[in-house]
Amino acid sequence: DIQMTQSPSTLSASVGDRVTITCRASQSISMWLAWYQQKPGKAPRLLIYRASSLERGVPSRFSGSGSGTEFTLTISSLQPDDFATYYCQHYNDYWRSFGQGTKVEIK
Amino acid sequence: QLQLQESGPGLLKPSETLSLKCTVSGDSISSSRFYWGWIRQPPGKGPQWIGNIYYSGTTFYNPSLESRVAISADTSKNQLSLTLRSVTAADTAMYFCARSDISASYHYWGQGTLVTVSS
Repeated sequence: DIQMTQSPSTLSASVGDRVTITCRASQSISMWLAWYQQKPGKAPRLLIYRASSLERGVPSRFSGSGSGTEFTLTISSLQPDDFATYYCQHYNDYWRSFGQGTKVEIK
Repeated sequence: QLQLQESGPGLLKPSETLSLKCTVSGDSISSSRFYWGWIRQPPGKGPQWIGNIYYSGTTFYNPSLESRVAISADTSKNQLSLTLRSVTAADTAMYFCARSDISASYHYWGQGTLVTVSS
């Protein structure tokens, strides 16, 4: 099984900050990684797919990078609407799994 | 506009069988461009992938659930189904259905339905 390790688990930041979240795979997953944002009581919302492709309708302050085993989600300038929990999700053959999540809190 | 709506009983007793439906509108579940998945999320935890079903009817499941789970599709009703046998308290979660494509990401999600397992 491929293990996904997401860090940090919690992040305190202020509006306007640049924020980076990391997801590491235990073995190479090429570019088969997605990032989601989730707010309480809501379904996850896809932000980034295939490591770096921005989902339609997602603000350009969100970006993804990486390949192989290390991936990052960057929010260039944190906005009030961005305080949420973020998950990475990988794809391997026909199986998928999610990271443990990063909660972005107001500093 | 694509919409997915989960439905099913909200409360089960241990050892019972969980049966959920996902009604899809705005797209045909038999389209070869997309496939469909079930994901669950226990309270306060991250999402857990349950499995996918493809337009051909082929299914793939999370190995940790494979012995108890089945996903099927009813194209006449444009509906997906999830069955999970012998539930325990550990199966208490919000259950979501979602649509994926060649990107292997879930672009569209239902709002979810909460299932609680308690005696």
